[in-house]
Formats: sequence, C-alpha cells, structure tokens
Amino acid sequence: EAGVVQSPRYKIIEKKQPVAFWCNPISGHNTLYWYLQNLGQGPELLIRYENEEAVDDSQLPKDRFSAERLKGVDSTLKIQPAELGDSAVYLCASSGRGSSYNEQFFGPGTRLTVL
Amino acid sequence: AQSVTQPDIHITVSEGASLELRCNYSYGATPYLFWYVQSPGQGLQLLLKYFSGDTLVQGIKGFEAEFKRSQSSFNLRKPSVHWSDAAEYFCAVAPDYKLSFGAGTTVTVRA
Repeated sequence: EAGVVQSPRYKIIEKKQPVAFWCNPISGHNTLYWYLQNLGQGPELLIRYENEEAVDDSQLPKDRFSAERLKGVDSTLKIQPAELGDSAVYLCASSGRGSSYNEQFFGPGTRLTVL
Repeated sequence: AQSVTQPDIHITVSEGASLELRCNYSYGATPYLFWYVQSPGQGLQLLLKYFSGDTLVQGIKGFEAEFKRSQSSFNLRKPSVHWSDAAEYFCAVAPDYKLSFGAGTTVTVRA
C-alpha cells in the first residue's frame, strides 16, 4: 500500500514569492491534515479536512495561507506571499474511518526555505 | 489545553545500551498517547500508542512504553539500542483527532 505522497520534497524561494505544496493521501482515507514543523519543534496542526470540507482551520494564518481539497482526495497548501519565517517543514497526514481514534499516517514532508 | 513535555532535548547513548525517553503530559483526563520517530528527511512513523488497558505497550522496532497515570507520564524504552535508532522522537497526546506534539528528543548513537 502506498503511503502519503508529498511534493516537492524541497523548495527554495525568495521572500514575497508564492509557493504551493501538494499532498496525495493514502487511498480511501477521508481525513487529511496539514502540519507545520519548525526547526527543533514538534508538528503543529494547520488544517484538517473531512472529505472536501475544512473542519478545523483555526490555526491556519489566513492572510497568507490557503488550502484546498477539491475532490476529497489530494490537497494543495499555498503560501502567498512567503515570508522568511515560513521556512519550515510542511507535513501532510491522512487517516481513515473506523476506530475511536483514527491513526494518522504522515508523508515525508516538504522542506521550505525562504531567502 | 493539553500540553506535552519532553524534558530531554538531546540524548547520546552507546550502541547496545538501554534507552529511556521521558514524556509528561498535562490533560484533565487520560488522552490517547503516542510515540513517533522521525529519521532525517523522513516523515513521522508511529512507534506505539496507548488508548486504554495494559499500561505497558509494545511497539515496533523493539520499543515499549509505560503509561503511569499518577505521574502523567508515558516514557519510551528500548533495552538495546542499534545505530539505526538515531533519530528524533516525539511524544504526542490526542484527546480527540488533534495531535499535540512535544518538542522532541534527538537521540545520537555512538559506536
């Protein structure tokens, strides 16, 4: 079974440029998460999708960040414009239905460097 | 709000020696508890989880963790460390779907 796929793995941009990250979850997983991981820190949730619906985006900085999951499968996270402080690893995770807690499976992440 | 503390930022251990990583959480009830490992350039991999029942939990790669309600702790252990265990380890809690992670402990293994 394929895991969570993310691309690109690395991205270097200059500040004020836009950037987008793509995530394809595990097949059949209806819940998708985007996390931000700063250097030396644990991941922090940015947004959670149930199918196409963003059910928790309370931690997403909406002035510059946006996300979409149009067909309830893959998702895109965008930053426009990027700032120096956005340099971090952006992780995508997915989980399926069935248990009282749905185990989250993580992708390898996209490491963003803003110059 | 729940929080997770991993008191040790960095631990160095000799290959073949035992390893224990500490994790303390703050939450009103017993949340779901997890340990994840992150190798360089890799995503997070679940080592083990505790939901209820037996307080000693066995995981993958020879790891185990013990839940102690009285101490609000969920410490991770491995009896004999291999060089491939060098990585960053994260403890996480989840009262529901939302994982809250500690800051992580970096483990270095010396020959």
